[in-house]
Amino acid sequence: DAGVIQSPRHEVTEMGQEVTLRCKPISGHNSLFWYRQTMMRGLELLIYFNNNVPIDDSGMPEDRFSAKMPNASFSTLKIQPSEPRDSAVYFCASSLWGQRETQYFGPGTRLLVL
Amino acid sequence: SQQGEEDPQALSIQEGENATMNCSYKTSINNLQWYRQNSGRGLVHLILIRSNEREKHSGRLRVTLDTSKKSSSLLITASRAADTASYFCATDERNAGGTSYGKLTFGQGTILTVHP
Repeated sequence: DAGVIQSPRHEVTEMGQEVTLRCKPISGHNSLFWYRQTMMRGLELLIYFNNNVPIDDSGMPEDRFSAKMPNASFSTLKIQPSEPRDSAVYFCASSLWGQRETQYFGPGTRLLVL
Repeated sequence: SQQGEEDPQALSIQEGENATMNCSYKTSINNLQWYRQNSGRGLVHLILIRSNEREKHSGRLRVTLDTSKKSSSLLITASRAADTASYFCATDERNAGGTSYGKLTFGQGTILTVHP
């Protein structure tokens, strides 16, 4: 069975551009998490969903960030407009709601904003 | 500040030696777990220990939890070069009602290098 799938794996963009990151969770998982990892701040939870509904978005840094989960098999994280300080690795993870302490991570999207 | 903080930040050992990493946290938890991250990859779940457990084993991994000291340790025995990775502890915090917030808080990680 495929794990969590993220695309693109690498993204280089210029400041001010819109960036959309995509995630396909493991089939059957009903919780989905977006994280950001940087050297300075480590791994930060941005937002998570249960049954496609956002539960906690307190980690979303600014209004420039938005996330959606239109169905159980797809989620997006959008940054508009992007800034150099958004450069990081963005991970998507999924789990079963009743076992959400055990999360399965995707390979990440490495974002560089110039 | 981070809920979970690992110590040491970096550890370098020879193959066959044991590696011990520590994690401290600040709040009440339902469980604590350890994840591994190989360079350029996502995190992989290793082991979970619940707040009412004191020790847990999985293969060459041994995890201890001391809730009175708010600390945990991960021991990797007979290390191999393939164990080279970053190791993170993650806590599932307990709210005032005794249930989970439903999200994990990760520490900054320990970078383990095992030399062949």
